[in-house]
Amino acid sequence: DTEVTQTPKHLVMGMTNKKSLKCEQHMGHRAMYWYKQKAKKPPELMFVYSYEKLSINESVPSRFSPECPNSSLLNLHLHALQPEDSALYLCASSQVRYMAQYFGPGTRLLVL
Amino acid sequence: GENVEQHPSTLSVQEGDSAVIKCTYSDSASNYFPWYKQELGKRPQLIIDIRSNVGEKKDQRIAVTLNKTAKHFSLHITETQPEDSAVYFCAASVRSGGGADGLTFGKGTHLIIQP
Repeated sequence: DTEVTQTPKHLVMGMTNKKSLKCEQHMGHRAMYWYKQKAKKPPELMFVYSYEKLSINESVPSRFSPECPNSSLLNLHLHALQPEDSALYLCASSQVRYMAQYFGPGTRLLVL
Repeated sequence: GENVEQHPSTLSVQEGDSAVIKCTYSDSASNYFPWYKQELGKRPQLIIDIRSNVGEKKDQRIAVTLNKTAKHFSLHITETQPEDSAVYFCAASVRSGGGADGLTFGKGTHLIIQP
């Protein structure tokens, strides 16, 4: 089963709000990822959580903060976002690093 | 960091014909190359992948070839069908500055199958 789930499907938030995106996989994968995808663009890597170690794409602003409560969950906490952060946020997982990544359906975020 | 170039940006073919999408990568240390299909409003779906120790891989109507020396890889779809219409992304594995092992994607090819 190559199922990655994400909640919520849609989110509208103001620039002063704090919200969280959730991602879950039950495939026993050891690596999970957050990507950001703008319209008509490819996904861009934000974070990797692999073997209990977090790796960060240095270009990602600090208003995004990931959290991994356990090996099957990966959250993305959002705070003081800007309108340009509006995008589709995709979670993915893979068995280990350098293996096939499977994407969740994404959370479509709109920042007003 | 890794840079992946993808061509063409749009490809229109007649139903039943073949389609070829090409990608080049910059980092010779990259060793994993997946292809994703993304339909409008849906998640990217892995359709085939190849590792650097393999030159070619085939799965029914889909094949991928890799030339490590030239640092390019291609997706071949034969006997195209209307349901093949989508945006296709190539990607390469990469280590970011923070040690992350994510994927760097090409800009995508919008494949249109003409009936």
